[in-house]
Amino acid sequence: EVQLVESGGGLVKPGESLRLSCAASGFTFSNDWMIWVRQAPGKGLEWVGRIKTETEGGTTDYAAPVKGRFTISRDDSKNTLYLQMNSLKTADTAVYYCTTAGTAWGQGTLVTVSS
Amino acid sequence: DVVMTQSPLSLPVTLGQPASISCRSSQSLVYSDGNTYLSWFQQRPGQSPRRLIYKVSNRDSGVPDRFSGSGSGTDFTLKISRVEAEDVGVYYCMQFTHWPPYTFGQGTKLEIK
Repeated sequence: EVQLVESGGGLVKPGESLRLSCAASGFTFSNDWMIWVRQAPGKGLEWVGRIKTETEGGTTDYAAPVKGRFTISRDDSKNTLYLQMNSLKTADTAVYYCTTAGTAWGQGTLVTVSS
Repeated sequence: DVVMTQSPLSLPVTLGQPASISCRSSQSLVYSDGNTYLSWFQQRPGQSPRRLIYKVSNRDSGVPDRFSGSGSGTDFTLKISRVEAEDVGVYYCMQFTHWPPYTFGQGTKLEIK
């Protein structure tokens, strides 16, 4: 069974950093592009960014609101996806999901940015 | 960026009746390989999203056959033939053809009348 489990969320102040993790199991993680999606409270889904496979260079792309502040990485030896979030803003408050390009989703982890 | 526009944004439906959600993209979603990367997701209250349909009309495993997807180019539709109580939630279309960024529709909230 495909499983994605996010962790690392919490309450931080504006300007601080946080790193989210997404542990994958039940599929060949190294073969898949991985995506982060977020959902602000009461709002819709927003694509955050994507990382290709290491075979394809591990290329990343980001949504405009997070570009230059967020970094996606992966460790295929640990079947884990990461989202490093720096210079956090109140607008980054959301539940963050990892997904395998839509087929499987984690339960999400809540990030709250507030002073 | 490709803009995805869903309608309606709110959809009250009587149990057992059909429902239809429209999704329009600001440009054609046909990729260079001939495929159209348009998916539909369901998000039940308090749950993570779940993919229902991929590449316009392909149902994911375990998705009831009362859900169907259709369309081409820039106009797409998700239909539920007979709405059941478990179908309550928000439905999103999403395009994977033109990136970055991948883009979602605003979401359509389906509720039971």
